[in-house]
Amino acid sequence: NAGVMQNPRHLVRRRGQEARLRCSPMKGHSHVYWYRQLPEEGLKFMVYLQKENIIDESGMPKERFSAEFPKEGPSILRIQQVVRGDSAAYFCASSPRIFRVSPGELFFGEGSRLTVL
Amino acid sequence: GNSVTQMEGPVTLSEEAFLTINCTYTATGYPSLFWYVQYPGEGLQLLLKATKADDKGSNKGFEATYRKETTSFHLEKGSVQVSDSAVYFCALEGDTGNQFYFGTGTSLTVIP
Repeated sequence: NAGVMQNPRHLVRRRGQEARLRCSPMKGHSHVYWYRQLPEEGLKFMVYLQKENIIDESGMPKERFSAEFPKEGPSILRIQQVVRGDSAAYFCASSPRIFRVSPGELFFGEGSRLTVL
Repeated sequence: GNSVTQMEGPVTLSEEAFLTINCTYTATGYPSLFWYVQYPGEGLQLLLKATKADDKGSNKGFEATYRKETTSFHLEKGSVQVSDSAVYFCALEGDTGNQFYFGTGTSLTVIP
């Protein structure tokens, strides 16, 4: 029973390049969350998706960042024209839950660590 | 709005010492509360949770009680081990169900 799988684990990009981070949720999970963890800071919510739908993207920067969770395949967090300030650990979490049917528990991947040179 | 405030670290304890990591929250409605643990190089794992006032969550010797009157969910363990060294995050599930709000994390190091 595989857990949440994220890849790549480590990604190095130069300023101006694109970064694509992938997340395969646990089997049977249809809810995916993306979080960003900056050094010395907590986890910051970015976006919440269900299959083919963005439910809440209130934590996403307005520019350069986008996320999708297609009907088939993993969820992808895409950062265009990366800058040094994008260097962080990006965590994906999944949940099987239906809102208010069961208290939420998030199952986290091991994270993707992006370094922008 | 919703937010979580937890005590700043790092915290260094000797083995078998008593641990308390403070967590207070601000929320609308009746959130569920969680403690997650992150071991080095890994993702977060759920440690324990409580879904309503006065509930006590417990796991692996850790405990936390949902205190609505003080809006707190402090994490405690009576006797820590070296293997408890990790970063601990307090979190709440917002009333809308869309978002989980995390504290900044508290790093714990237990020395033999």
